[in-house]
Amino acid sequence: TQLLEQSPQFLSIQEGENLTVYCNSSSVFSSLQWYRQEPGEGPVLLVTVVTGGEVKKLKRLTFQFGDARKDSSLHITAAQTGDTGLYLCAGVLTDSWGKLQFGAGTQVVVTP
Amino acid sequence: ETGVTQTPRHLVMGMTNKKSLKCEQHLGHNAMYWYKQSAKKPLELMFVYSLEERVENNSVPSRFSPECPNSSHLFLHLHTLQPEDSALYLCASSRETGRGIETQYFGPGTRLLVL
Repeated sequence: TQLLEQSPQFLSIQEGENLTVYCNSSSVFSSLQWYRQEPGEGPVLLVTVVTGGEVKKLKRLTFQFGDARKDSSLHITAAQTGDTGLYLCAGVLTDSWGKLQFGAGTQVVVTP
Repeated sequence: ETGVTQTPRHLVMGMTNKKSLKCEQHLGHNAMYWYKQSAKKPLELMFVYSLEERVENNSVPSRFSPECPNSSHLFLHLHTLQPEDSALYLCASSRETGRGIETQYFGPGTRLLVL
């Protein structure tokens, strides 16, 4: 059983469409991060959310941290082919020293 | 370019070989990490070094041996690996300030195949 469950595992959409990726857990996190990983590269941090109910926007990407700090979502508006990649969520448990717990990721493919 | 480099980028080795993975960070960080990434599985934290001392060892088999000679360099020595050890090995670094939440910067990884 994974601490952070991401859904869906795979998502294929066309340019211009919207998509939402989910990250869920039964545990409470002091913070949660979203990364994007492209083929042949390591994960790159997109955003960190720390407050329950927090919403952050990064251009066409909107990140939300659940009120109870157990879940998060990533919404992409008008997807572009450059959004293709593996999206990973990672959280820091409230009783840990800062160790990141990762989800397995959602592979997003945006086609022209 | 994240400021964290890893070599080699690809490695094929037999089960009886000995090899080493190298990671170097140019960010002035004082903590470094080794992760294992297998297909469709979460990143697994293997080792953490903070101020050149190992602070985390997640029940990793002894065929993996880390070494951190200074705050900029991290090695992972490999010996008598198994085919199931084939994966992407990622190095990361961060600045540890005692406040817990610091961004980790990842290298591009070494793709390892054990035959």
